[in-house]
This record gives sequence, C-alpha cells and structure tokens, in this order.
Amino acid sequence: AQKVTQAQTEISVVEKEDVTLDCVYETRDTTYYLFWYKQPPSGELVFLIRRNSFDEQNEISGRYSWNFQKSTSSFNFTITASQVVDSAVYFCALSSEYNAGNMLTFGGGTRLMVKP
Amino acid sequence: EAQVTQNPRYLITVTGKKLTVTCSQNMNHEYMSWYRQDPGLGLRQIYYSMNVEVTDKGDVPEGYKVSRKEKRNFPLILESPSPNQTSLYFCASSLSGRTDEQYFGPGTRLTVT
Repeated sequence: AQKVTQAQTEISVVEKEDVTLDCVYETRDTTYYLFWYKQPPSGELVFLIRRNSFDEQNEISGRYSWNFQKSTSSFNFTITASQVVDSAVYFCALSSEYNAGNMLTFGGGTRLMVKP
Repeated sequence: EAQVTQNPRYLITVTGKKLTVTCSQNMNHEYMSWYRQDPGLGLRQIYYSMNVEVTDKGDVPEGYKVSRKEKRNFPLILESPSPNQTSLYFCASSLSGRTDEQYFGPGTRLTVT
C-alpha cells in the first residue's frame, strides 16, 4: 500500500513571507513518482511538478522550489515571497511503479491563505 | 484546445435515482480516471481505465460503475445514489498512465438528498 501525508491542513501567511508545505510519503517500491497540484478557489486542479524517485535534485521554478529527500521520504514545496494569488489548496500525490493496480494516491491537501 | 470536459457541473438529486456524469477528453489519452474530493481526505480514486474496455477499481469503488467503450469517453454511473456520495467529482486523463501528469476536468458537484 502507499500513503501520502500532508500534516498541515491550513497555513496562513502574510504576503511576501516564505512558506513551506510538507509532504511525507510511504511506499515499498523503489521506483515511484511524486507530484504537486494546485487547486485555486475557482476549483480546477493545476499540475505543478512531477519528480521520479531516481532524480533527487531539487528544482526551482520562479518563486516555487521543491526539496525531495528520499532519506526522510519527503517532497516539500516552498513558495518564496508569497503572493495573494498563491492562496489555494495544494495536493501532493504519489504513484508507485509496481504497486497493485495503477492508482494515484493523493494527500489530504494543505490550504494556504496568503493575506495582503 | 486540449481539455477534459465533465457534465453536468452541478447536480442535486434524490436517493436512489440513477445518474450518469459524463467525461470526455480530446487529447487521445490512454488513461482516464475518476476521483472524489472530500474535505480533509484529499482526492480519492474511484475507478480508472488504462484503455478501451479496460477498467479497474481504485480506492473507493463501492456504489459506482464506469465504462470505457470509446477512448475519449469515461462516464461515471451511480446506479442508486446515497447521501454519502455527496461530493466533488473530478475526471482526469493522462497520456499513458498514472505516472504521467494528470489533466483534470472542471469538477462536478453532486448533492444527494
């Protein structure tokens, strides 16, 4: 079985603060993929990043960065200099290469509120 | 425009009245799936399909049916809806499977009274 835990259900920050969203995963597979999706107030789900288990390099995309650490089974997401438009629910997800079936498992989500 | 469409977007129904939520994608994707989103539980996979006529259960399949007769369409069927199926439903597709980026539809908010 596989599992994704996003322990922070809600985070509130003031604009321009940096914020890190935590994601901890469990899987018995050595090959797996991790994802982050954003769900703004309008409700749609927007893909942010995909990372496979063999690529431990951190990634930066503008104000967004991701820290993948296999040693702690974590794939954390940091927003630098947050903006009001970053307010959304963020989901971390996991897909293992050889798990039973072809399921994609999501965490419970973290609601980020950025106040002006 | 590449997209996943769902209909209806909003639906209020009564217990036991059969309903179908349609899902269609225009990207020639092999993999399609249905999720339900509930507060605190994130998205949970209901059913998925690897290709035409190939479907399989996800985490929470009870009370749902699906079919994949054409590559582009993947309807979700609730034969006898119950109040615990009140939720926000998303259809998604991806090029070849669950390890690819998922493209999500706009969601269908279902209320069963």
